[in-house]
Amino acid sequence: EIVLTQSPGTLSLSPGERATLSCRASQSVSSTYLAWYQQKPGQAPRLLISGASSRATGIPDRFSGSGSGTDFTLTISRLEPEDFAVYYCHQYGSSSVTFGQGTRLEIK
Amino acid sequence: QVQLQESGPGLVKPSETLSLTCTVSGGSVSSGSDYWSWIRQPPGKGLEWIGYIYYTGSTTYNPSLKSRVTILVDTSQNQFSLNVSSVTAADTAVYFCAKAPYATCFDYWGQGTLVTVSS
Repeated sequence: EIVLTQSPGTLSLSPGERATLSCRASQSVSSTYLAWYQQKPGQAPRLLISGASSRATGIPDRFSGSGSGTDFTLTISRLEPEDFAVYYCHQYGSSSVTFGQGTRLEIK
Repeated sequence: QVQLQESGPGLVKPSETLSLTCTVSGGSVSSGSDYWSWIRQPPGKGLEWIGYIYYTGSTTYNPSLKSRVTILVDTSQNQFSLNVSSVTAADTAVYFCAKAPYATCFDYWGQGTLVTVSS
């Protein structure tokens, strides 16, 4: 099973700042098979990025994904108030799908 | 726009079987490009993938749950279902159903349903 480790666990930033979230895999993941989700309290996760860098339909361009191999990054260029949430990475390159443990993005 | 809706009991006794159904609207479980999945989230914790099903009935399960999980599809009702046997308190979670095109990312999710395991 591929283990995804997200860092930091909690990120405290202010609106307008840049957020950089990391997802590290225990073994190489094809970049085709890495996704990012945003989850707000009481809601289902929302797909942001698939294929490591392709924004899902309707996702603002302040969200971007990058990376390859074992290191992937989600960047939010200028934080809006609605961006404060929990973010999960997800790999589907192996037959056993796994998620990272999440990064909580909170208002400083 | 595809919509998914989970339904089922919110309370299950320890050692019994948890059963949930996901009803799909605005799309078809018989779509040749989509896989249908269950994912759960214990209160205050992260996401755990349970398994996938394809419209043919072909399944893939999380190895850690495989011995207790069954996912079925009912194309006539445009639904798929989840059974988890011999539940314990550790199975208490919000259960989500989701759609995964070509068994990739999860692009549409249900709102989730909380299932509590307690006597």
